[in-house]
Amino acid sequence: DIQMTQSPSSLSASVGDRVTITCQASQDISNYLNWYQQKPGKAPKLLIYDASNLETGVPSRFSGSGSGTDFTFTISSLQPEDIATYYCQQYDNLPGSFGPGTKVDIK
Amino acid sequence: EVQLVESGGGLVQPGRSLRLSCAASGFTFDDYAMHWVRQAPGKGLEWVSGISWNSGSIGYADSVKGRFTISRDNAKNSLYLQMNSLRAEDTALYYCAKAKSLDMTTAIMDVWGQGTTVTVSS
Repeated sequence: DIQMTQSPSSLSASVGDRVTITCQASQDISNYLNWYQQKPGKAPKLLIYDASNLETGVPSRFSGSGSGTDFTFTISSLQPEDIATYYCQQYDNLPGSFGPGTKVDIK
Repeated sequence: EVQLVESGGGLVQPGRSLRLSCAASGFTFDDYAMHWVRQAPGKGLEWVSGISWNSGSIGYADSVKGRFTISRDNAKNSLYLQMNSLRAEDTALYYCAKAKSLDMTTAIMDVWGQGTTVTVSS
């Protein structure tokens, strides 16, 4: 199975800051990588698919990049409503494994 | 409005069975693959199982293979998860999720339900 790692596991930033999360796959997954946001007590929400495609309706301050084994998720200007845990997920091979998550909060 | 509503969760003893359901509305159900994803209390997300639009392709996580069975009824716009031989480690919130494509292996999950809780305990 493909293992996904994320760093950092948590971060605290100020409103307006640029926030970057990295995700690494244990083997080449091309661009078969998604990013989800999960707010406390809520279901996950798809933000980015195929590494860099912004899901319809998602604010443009969210972006993704990368291919192969190394991926980056960026919030260009952190907003209070972005407080959540963010997960990467690969679907190159089943199971579609998720990373352990990165918890983002406001400093 | 695109919506997924899970049901069927509850408290069950180890070794017993439970069947989860997911009712879909607001989209053409048989145009899309569907998935189950679970989240143990305080933990991350775990993909459990997926099924293609016509049930022709099905996959399971190793942790549930041989115990869980996914199915769908396109006439009823419904997805199911039959869970047998339940274990304490199956305790989780189970989400139903719609895929972006027909194909189960393209696991881009763009619509999620609110989940149904399964607790396995004696």
